[in-house]
Amino acid sequence: GAVVSQHPSWVICKSGTSVKIECRSLDFQATTMFWYRQFPKQSLMLMATSNEGSKATYEQGVEKDKFLINHASLTLSTLTVTSAHPEDSSFYICSARGEGGWQETQYFGPGTRLLVL
Amino acid sequence: SQQGEEDPQALSIQEGENATMNCSYKTSINNLQWYRQNSGRGLVHLILIRSNEREKHSGRLRVTLDTSKKSSSLLITASRAADTASYFCATAFKAAGNKLTFGGGTRVLVKP
Repeated sequence: GAVVSQHPSWVICKSGTSVKIECRSLDFQATTMFWYRQFPKQSLMLMATSNEGSKATYEQGVEKDKFLINHASLTLSTLTVTSAHPEDSSFYICSARGEGGWQETQYFGPGTRLLVL
Repeated sequence: SQQGEEDPQALSIQEGENATMNCSYKTSINNLQWYRQNSGRGLVHLILIRSNEREKHSGRLRVTLDTSKKSSSLLITASRAADTASYFCATAFKAAGNKLTFGGGTRVLVKP
């Protein structure tokens, strides 16, 4: 149990375009989902916390108009990188957390590698 | 800013040896978790240790937590080539909604 998927697994796009990344909890309901960014050989940096049915909470320094997050259902959150630029190239990872006893552990998706040309 | 600092940053051992890595943090925590990440992949949850626990085992993994020193250690016994990965500690603080704050990670290479 506790499987989280991400789609796509990798994407290449031109500068100025927008890219949408999906994060799904496959076998549990995720009241909270998190979006992280990871640069090569570095740790994960939390970008935002997404709660179902409400606005996302962004970490300091993360542009909310640049990284749009929607958590429309208990199993799906999306991250849209708007007007992507080469500096947005990175590895984006989502995680999902359930309710009750599931609350302590975050289950991570496999990540999405974004390359902006 | 990252709360956890991991030591060492990189570790190279022979198959069959034990691998130990340490994690230090700065504030009070609700729990501390260890994750493994294979190159270019997502994170796999290894073990969670709560603030009122001192030691936990899971298979070949042993985690200790010393809240007085604000530190934790992860021991992998009888390492295998498949254990080659980056290992991250992450702390959760209840007042912060149990968001995870990750350490810098330890890159472990197990040579066959």
